[in-house]
Amino acid sequence: AQKVTQAQTEISVVEKEDVTLDCVYETRDTTYYLFWYKQPPSGELVFLIRRNSFDEQNEISGRYSWNFQKSTSSFNFTITASQVVDSAVYFCALSSTGANSKLTFGKGITLSVRP
Amino acid sequence: GAVVSQHPSRVICKSGTSVKIECRSLDFQATTMFWYRQFPKKSLMLMATSNEGSKATYEQGVEKDKFLINHASLTLSTLTVTSAHPEDSSFYICSARDIGDSSYEQYFGPGTRLTVT
Repeated sequence: AQKVTQAQTEISVVEKEDVTLDCVYETRDTTYYLFWYKQPPSGELVFLIRRNSFDEQNEISGRYSWNFQKSTSSFNFTITASQVVDSAVYFCALSSTGANSKLTFGKGITLSVRP
Repeated sequence: GAVVSQHPSRVICKSGTSVKIECRSLDFQATTMFWYRQFPKKSLMLMATSNEGSKATYEQGVEKDKFLINHASLTLSTLTVTSAHPEDSSFYICSARDIGDSSYEQYFGPGTRLTVT
């Protein structure tokens, strides 16, 4: 069975601080995908990143960066110089491959960025 | 590209009535669509997987007679909440998988907030 653990439930930071959101996953698959989504108060899920299990390169996109470590089954997400607009719930998710693959979501982390 | 719409975005209905929620892939074909339910401050819970032209596969604990799913075309899936009760009030989100996308990514709709009074 697949499992995604987001141990942090709520994080509060002051604007311009850096913040890291942790994600640990469990799977028996050798090929899988990892995702991060942002859910602002409006409710719509915003796709942030998809990472293939064979690609361990870290990725940076503007103020966002992701650290994928297969050895520790972690896929952490860092926001640099946080802004109030970053306030949202962030979900990490795991998917196997194949036509019947499903997304397994973590419980989500509520990030509050204070001015 | 890869836009998924849901209609309605918000619905209030009386207890005992049925409500239909539509999920459409606007610019791609989707053989598989998924329906999720999200309670306040909780994660997304997969309710069922909907395959075009066949019966939906429901997750354990989800009543198939309560939540009717129809996936009649490659761009449309519907979820009907039958005889709705206040405990059915929730945020319902659909997603769709592009038939031509080998990454298995799901594209999410904006969600439908159902309130049953």
